[in-house]
Amino acid sequence: SQTIHQWPATLVQPVGSPLSLECTVEGTSNPNLYWYRQAAGRGLQLLFYSIGIGQISSEVPQNLSASRPQDRQFILSSKKLLLSDSGFYLCAWTVGNNSPLHFGNGTRLTVT
Amino acid sequence: GESVGLHLPTLSVQEGDNSIINCAYSNSASDYFIWYKQESGKGPQFIIDIRSNMDKRQGQRVTVLLNKTVKHLSLQIAATQPGDSAVYFCAENKADSWGKLQFGAGTQVVVTP
Repeated sequence: SQTIHQWPATLVQPVGSPLSLECTVEGTSNPNLYWYRQAAGRGLQLLFYSIGIGQISSEVPQNLSASRPQDRQFILSSKKLLLSDSGFYLCAWTVGNNSPLHFGNGTRLTVT
Repeated sequence: GESVGLHLPTLSVQEGDNSIINCAYSNSASDYFIWYKQESGKGPQFIIDIRSNMDKRQGQRVTVLLNKTVKHLSLQIAATQPGDSAVYFCAENKADSWGKLQFGAGTQVVVTP
């Protein structure tokens, strides 16, 4: 069966520091991968998605970037964090265009 | 702009009763709808989905109803249990932008004994 892993689970970082969040998927090949952000008490907002290695699409202008160095690895990064980058970051995957998104358990990021 | 929204922010349900969570959407181009359950500190968990060519779909203790005429989606949970306490999100998607889900704000379901 397929599983998705995100780490770390929680992270506290000072303003201006770099960020790297990792997501890996097991049990499937060539998944579509997504990064979503969830503000407290709110729904999810799509940040980036990828349909293959090295292919990244950004949905909203922001202080973050994404990369996909391997088929089942998706990374969310920032060179300098802002206070507004605080939130719950969720990685998700799907296979093709007829299956639902499945989410990881997220990373709670607090920028201080 | 077009959006997905929920009617009630909090729903209190007695254990054993049926729950109904409602969702309104305004994007008539959406053709795929999903319900997720999110427990505190965890990622959303897929519950059930429905395509726009269907009116109803049933799963284990859950039923999703889609009324395209009034752009309304609902999730029914039969015999609600304490483990059903969570935030429930509806989300919509268009076939030409698969995976780019538009989420509602969520409904908190609280199951009371």
